[in-house]
Amino acid sequence: LAKTTQPISMDSYEGQEVNITCSHNNIATNDYITWYQQFPSQGPRFIIQGYKTKVTNEVASLFIPADRKSSTLSLPRVSLSDTAVYYCLVGLGTGRRALTFGSGTRLQVQP
Amino acid sequence: EADIYQTPRYLVIGTGKKITLECSQTMGHDKMYWYQQDPGMELHLIHYSYGVNSTEKGDLSSESTVSRIRTEHFPLTLESARPSHTSQYLCASSDYRGGTNTGELFFGEGSRLTVL
Repeated sequence: LAKTTQPISMDSYEGQEVNITCSHNNIATNDYITWYQQFPSQGPRFIIQGYKTKVTNEVASLFIPADRKSSTLSLPRVSLSDTAVYYCLVGLGTGRRALTFGSGTRLQVQP
Repeated sequence: EADIYQTPRYLVIGTGKKITLECSQTMGHDKMYWYQQDPGMELHLIHYSYGVNSTEKGDLSSESTVSRIRTEHFPLTLESARPSHTSQYLCASSDYRGGTNTGELFFGEGSRLTVL
């Protein structure tokens, strides 16, 4: 299972763009990259998923370079409510492979 | 909206008691998971199941046991609770059938266990 590495924490201010990078050097050919957000005392929730290049939805963008050994979650114009822990997950849980979370990145948004 | 439910949300019990944390999902997902998470710490996978009568241990060793007799139900049991079992337990499910399905994990709201 591909191991992921993320910064432990990041700080930002309201209205700024935040980019969180995740390293996954041993990603497998069939693995997708998925990002989750977790607020205190809640379960993580899905943000975005991609395989290569760029994916955008209503809340975030995901940039994946050609070698797929890293990915960057981009949150445009963050607000206080974006303060949370963000996890990068590699794999899809297909077949008999379980899904393991890394340490995550704790994002603190200041007014 | 995810349809995965955990009960109880909060439980305070004494040492030595047997407890069962319930997890049910109505999405027909084959795959279900139990994660353990202490406050401010990362999630650790303790059990998972790929379908009925299938259960596997996760990355973190746990004294708990699980069963999967029905697709929608994945209960976790501690035969004799100890203070070291105090934690939050999160249940999740997923389903991946290829194509545009993301294999997204859907989480319950968690069961916070305190063992005195």
